[in-house]
Amino acid sequence: LAKTTQPISMDSYEGQEVNITCSHNNIATNDYITWYQQFPSQGPRFIIQGYKTKVTNEVASLFIPADRKSSTLSLPRVSLSDTAVYYCLVGGGSSNTGKLIFGQGTTLQVKP
Amino acid sequence: DTAVSQTPKYLVTQMGNDKSIKCEQNLGHDTMYWYKQDSKKFLKIMFSYNNKELIINETVPNRFSPKSPDKAHLNLHINSLELGDSAVYFCASSQGNAYPRQETQYFGPGTRLLVL
Repeated sequence: LAKTTQPISMDSYEGQEVNITCSHNNIATNDYITWYQQFPSQGPRFIIQGYKTKVTNEVASLFIPADRKSSTLSLPRVSLSDTAVYYCLVGGGSSNTGKLIFGQGTTLQVKP
Repeated sequence: DTAVSQTPKYLVTQMGNDKSIKCEQNLGHDTMYWYKQDSKKFLKIMFSYNNKELIINETVPNRFSPKSPDKAHLNLHINSLELGDSAVYFCASSQGNAYPRQETQYFGPGTRLLVL
């Protein structure tokens, strides 16, 4: 399964747009890119998933370049409640056992 | 209604004891998982069951034994607890039939295990 690399931590201020980039150089042809969010003392929660180009939902946008070796999670106008750990995962595809490989994640701290 | 629930939420016990953590999902999903999250926040999959059948069994000490009485329940029994077992254990579930997409997994609130 493809390994992912993300920044360990990021700081932002309320109202700003936050972009978190994830590298996944060994992504397989059939792999999807998925982001999860984890608040303190809670389980991870699905945010968004994509395969290529751009995906947008009510929470975030996911930008994936043509080579798919990286992806960027974009959180518009963050608030204090967006302080959490964000995990980038790649997988699925032909080996869809459901196994998710979580990296260290990016700890986002939103300040007032 | 809670989609994925775990009991207990906190578990403090002595080394050498045997304990169980229970998980239930009311989403009608076919697949359930157990993850361990250590103090550095790394989440690692331990087991996965699909329709009561074991499909993922990572390198986990055999002191850990999952049991799935039906597809809505996946319990984790731990024998002879060790200090290194202290962690947060998360149960999760997914629909189990979304190939080739990577399925959305729904996580429970976690069980915080402290072995003294």
